[in-house]
Amino acid sequence: EVKLEESGGGLVQPGGSMKLSCVASGFTFSNYWMNWVRQSPEKGLEWVAEIRLKSNNYATHYAESVKGRFTISRDDSKSSVYLQMNNLRAEDTGIYYCTRDGYDYWGQGTTLTVSS
Amino acid sequence: DILMTQSPSSMSVSLGDTVSITCHASQGISSNIGWLQQKPGKSFKGLIYHGTNLEDGVPSRFSGSGSGADYSLTISSLESEDFADYYCVQYAQFPRTFGGGTKLEIK
Repeated sequence: EVKLEESGGGLVQPGGSMKLSCVASGFTFSNYWMNWVRQSPEKGLEWVAEIRLKSNNYATHYAESVKGRFTISRDDSKSSVYLQMNNLRAEDTGIYYCTRDGYDYWGQGTTLTVSS
Repeated sequence: DILMTQSPSSMSVSLGDTVSITCHASQGISSNIGWLQQKPGKSFKGLIYHGTNLEDGVPSRFSGSGSGADYSLTISSLESEDFADYYCVQYAQFPRTFGGGTKLEIK
């Protein structure tokens, strides 16, 4: 059974940092591109970042709104994908989901609140 | 960015009905579109990929169609478990973009 489980959300002040983690199971993690997607009432669903495979030199892509502030990474030995978020803003508030390439399987989400 | 215009935003329907949800992309996306389901308080599940292909385990009452910039998700013979929110997502180009969602409600 494919499972994705996020962790690491919480409350952080504007300008702060947070790192989200997602551990995968039930499939060969190293064979799949992985994404982070966020959901908020204000913006709906917003794609955040993608990371490709070792064979693609772990190429990454980012939404313009997070470029330079967020970093996606992966550790295939731990079947995990991460999202390091720096210089956080109120508009980054939302539920963050990790999802496998193709958007077929999603984690349950972890909530980030950026507020003073 | 490719804008995905999804309609309708909500539908009030009855068990057994057949419904269609559409997504219009601001440019052609060559069937690089998926459809997702989100049940209340839950995460997402992929239903359709590449416009017409059913994900494993998804009931055959779900189907996808379309080409160019216009795509549809059709649900035949609605069952109680189908009352949920539905979204389209395009992956033809970065940034990936989502439709605004369609809420299916029981009439």
